[in-house]
Amino acid sequence: DAMVIQNPRYQVTQFGKPVTLSCSQTLNHNVMYWYQQKSSQAPKLLFHYYDKDFNNEADTPDNFQSRRPNTSFCFLDIRSPGLGDAAMYLCATSRDSPGTGRYRETQYFGPGTRLLVL
Amino acid sequence: SQQGEEDPQALSIQEGENATMNCSYKTSINNLQWYRQNSGRGLVHLILIRSNEREKHSGRLRVTLDTSKKSSSLLITASRAADTASYFCATATPGAGSYQLTFGKGTKLSVIP
Repeated sequence: DAMVIQNPRYQVTQFGKPVTLSCSQTLNHNVMYWYQQKSSQAPKLLFHYYDKDFNNEADTPDNFQSRRPNTSFCFLDIRSPGLGDAAMYLCATSRDSPGTGRYRETQYFGPGTRLLVL
Repeated sequence: SQQGEEDPQALSIQEGENATMNCSYKTSINNLQWYRQNSGRGLVHLILIRSNEREKHSGRLRVTLDTSKKSSSLLITASRAADTASYFCATATPGAGSYQLTFGKGTKLSVIP
């Protein structure tokens, strides 16, 4: 089945130790997103890739970076995790078709990676 | 800034009853979507309603949209224990950056068997 996969499901890291979360998709969607969701809060968009073009949200800390080596994979790098970065990180994909007006259609989410910072 | 605000924040009902959740937003939208999130899991898309639509149905779900009031409602009929989850509305706004949704804080629904 076509899907969005996130690994690992749970990640424990130490304060200040770089960590990478991964996301892969078999949907062949051209847009991939990373969201941060803290307990009982709304998912907050960190950044997204439209094809190879990276789009950073204005309030995303510099501590968060992303890589998309190909259509299927996208990585979230946290260079120096702080205690406040403990959260669920959600990857999502969508298929946007420029010129059709059909923007911001359905997003397909992975199960998330829960990050714990010690 | 947060776009969607769900109401109520939490809702507890008996199995078989209907559940209604509301969402208000602040700016013009392209479409509004509802998502469900089971505890500790990712979000699942439920339904999308465009700004020129007023009502949409999908199975036991009914969504309404009132653009003059900038509000939407999600009705789940004949609720089941498996409907227990958090429900989020998300607005897609024209011109607000590239291809993003803005989520509300969600309504936590508990369906008691």
